[in-house]
Amino acid sequence: QLQLLESGPGLLQPSETLSLTCSVSGDSMKNSKSYWGWIRQPPGKELEWIGDMFFSGSVRYNPALMSLSGRVTISIDTSRNQFFLRVTSMTVEDSGFYFCARRLIRGVSYFDSWGQGTQVTVSS
Amino acid sequence: DIRVAQSPSSLSASVGDRVTITCRTSQGVMNYLHWYRQRPGKAPEVLIYGASNLQSGVPSRFSGSGSGTDFTLTITSLQLEDVATYYCQHTHSIPWTFGPGTKVEVK
Repeated sequence: QLQLLESGPGLLQPSETLSLTCSVSGDSMKNSKSYWGWIRQPPGKELEWIGDMFFSGSVRYNPALMSLSGRVTISIDTSRNQFFLRVTSMTVEDSGFYFCARRLIRGVSYFDSWGQGTQVTVSS
Repeated sequence: DIRVAQSPSSLSASVGDRVTITCRTSQGVMNYLHWYRQRPGKAPEVLIYGASNLQSGVPSRFSGSGSGTDFTLTITSLQLEDVATYYCQHTHSIPWTFGPGTKVEVK
């Protein structure tokens, strides 16, 4: 069974860089029907898709998240069964829960497996 | 971008009640509409994908219907473990977006 687990710092100061890792077990990251993505949830708000990546390196980001434009990078290391999220110049508005998830292609595509989530707080 | 609306924003029902949550998208999304349950303090989990397909391992009391712009999630017999916030999400076109959620409580 596929399992995903996020890791990374829980507390950052404004302007610092967030680096999160998602460790994948139970399935190959080179599965042609899988995209590896990040979703966040600001406190008390709805879920926001940040972006996702295919094992080949092809990546798509959410163009509607203007606040993240130019600051976010998703990368992947299939040899370590991990993928990563990097957000530079963090602000208080970037605080929230960050989830890694697999987007499965099964006719339609949907997020079928999620990590437990990691809380990120940006505060001075 | 396709906007996703849900109703109601919250509801309270008794164990055993039938519960219906609706989702409406601003443009047609065919059947690229999915439902998730997020229990308090937990990650979301998919219940229904492709508008009406029950995800493996999900209890049969959950069902989904609809196509185009109007969709419904039904819980035929509400259980205590269904206390959660329910989200619909489309994956018709980028950006994938989630609805604002429906909070379900048990009386």
